[in-house]
Amino acid sequence: GAVVSQHPSRVICKSGTSVKIECRSLDFQATTMFWYRQFPKQSLMLMATSNEGSKATYEQGVEKDKFLINHASLTLSTLTVTSAHPEDSSFYICSGAGGPDTQYFGPGTRLTVL
Amino acid sequence: DAKTTQPPSMDCAEGRAANLPCNHSTISGNEYVYWYRQIHSQGPQYIIHGLKNNETNEMASLIITEDRKSSTLILPHATLRDTAVYYCIVRVAGWGSTLTFGKGTMLLVSP
Repeated sequence: GAVVSQHPSRVICKSGTSVKIECRSLDFQATTMFWYRQFPKQSLMLMATSNEGSKATYEQGVEKDKFLINHASLTLSTLTVTSAHPEDSSFYICSGAGGPDTQYFGPGTRLTVL
Repeated sequence: DAKTTQPPSMDCAEGRAANLPCNHSTISGNEYVYWYRQIHSQGPQYIIHGLKNNETNEMASLIITEDRKSSTLILPHATLRDTAVYYCIVRVAGWGSTLTFGKGTMLLVSP
């Protein structure tokens, strides 16, 4: 299957700071990318859908001003958690649509906010 | 609301076939059945998907009932590395079509 990378794999930051997470499709072009988060012992929850060159579509309850998504190229999407707080600590996972049929997921980024 | 129902956990002996069931009684005619798995602290891994015909690839086989209301994922020779949470998801095809993850089935493969 196609490969998606994320950077960093884990990050620890202080409350109030901002953190940027990168998601790259390494061997395919992802017109559409998705961002999920997963709290401990829970399933993945979709946060937003982003299309290259346009604004992201956020799921209900996800603050677009807090979770900034940029999808400037067909191989790169970024998620910035602004003014992070301990309740934002979670496992953030991106995926890229390699075609109309399939999404390929990155390895995830573990965010811990102190 | 969940569109699929899976048992919360299953056990399997190493080397034996693992048969993971999924009910999707409200599936629409244009919805595919997808299976992903997630090993602890990793991103989900695509396994297989199908519309109405049975499908097989190098990882698994997918058996879909004729009425499409249920399906079974078969791992023919389970290994310890197959221990993971397995998610059955129904989804329409399309670039922007999303995946809605339920609670999945925790498969534990033991020696």
